[in-house]
Amino acid sequence: NAGVTQTPKFRILKIGQSMTLQCTQDMNHNYMYWYRQDPGMGLKLIYYSVGAGITDKGEVPNGYNVSRSTTEDFPLRLELAAPSQTSVYFCASSARAGEVGELFFGEGSRLTVL
Amino acid sequence: QQPVQSPQAVILREGEDAVINCSSSKALYSVHWYRQKHGEAPIFLMILLKGGEQKGHDKISASFNEKKQQSSLYLTASQLSYSGTYFCGTGSDYNQGGKLIFGQGTELSVKP
Repeated sequence: NAGVTQTPKFRILKIGQSMTLQCTQDMNHNYMYWYRQDPGMGLKLIYYSVGAGITDKGEVPNGYNVSRSTTEDFPLRLELAAPSQTSVYFCASSARAGEVGELFFGEGSRLTVL
Repeated sequence: QQPVQSPQAVILREGEDAVINCSSSKALYSVHWYRQKHGEAPIFLMILLKGGEQKGHDKISASFNEKKQQSSLYLTASQLSYSGTYFCGTGSDYNQGGKLIFGQGTELSVKP
């Protein structure tokens, strides 16, 4: 059972570089989410999607972009990386809307911007 | 708005009880509770929906008072495995695309 898979697990970027964090799920869930977690802090919602072709902003969307061309995949793009984007990024999915559905999280992607 | 959790941290001995609170300034439809071990992903514990229900799961239970916009997580007879950071997540409206907003977390340490 793969569940939610994130790649890469670790990455170091230089300021101004761009990259894409990959997230894929094999549970046929319509709802997918990206959260970031700074050290010792809670989870902040970046973007979410209710199905293929539909995305919306969360609490902290600036500096990020997403797309959802398939049910399985929900990549997160960082443009012009900044030190403030150093964080652990979690992708999650759920079978029902996040207010009422259990979220299944990936293992996280730890990003450092230097 | 982000829900507020209290306390920020708590240290227990095995067998002791703890209560973690979560409050919101917005009307709530649901409250979720998750536990996260250091370096791992959050794991789902339970969801409480509007209606003031209480749920239980072994020695971990929770209540939801929608009028007060508050939820409490009760851990009884704590075990070493209960250690971790507990997060509440709140949903303010059903089927609004799943905007689940998390609190800042409560770090629980259970000592032998």
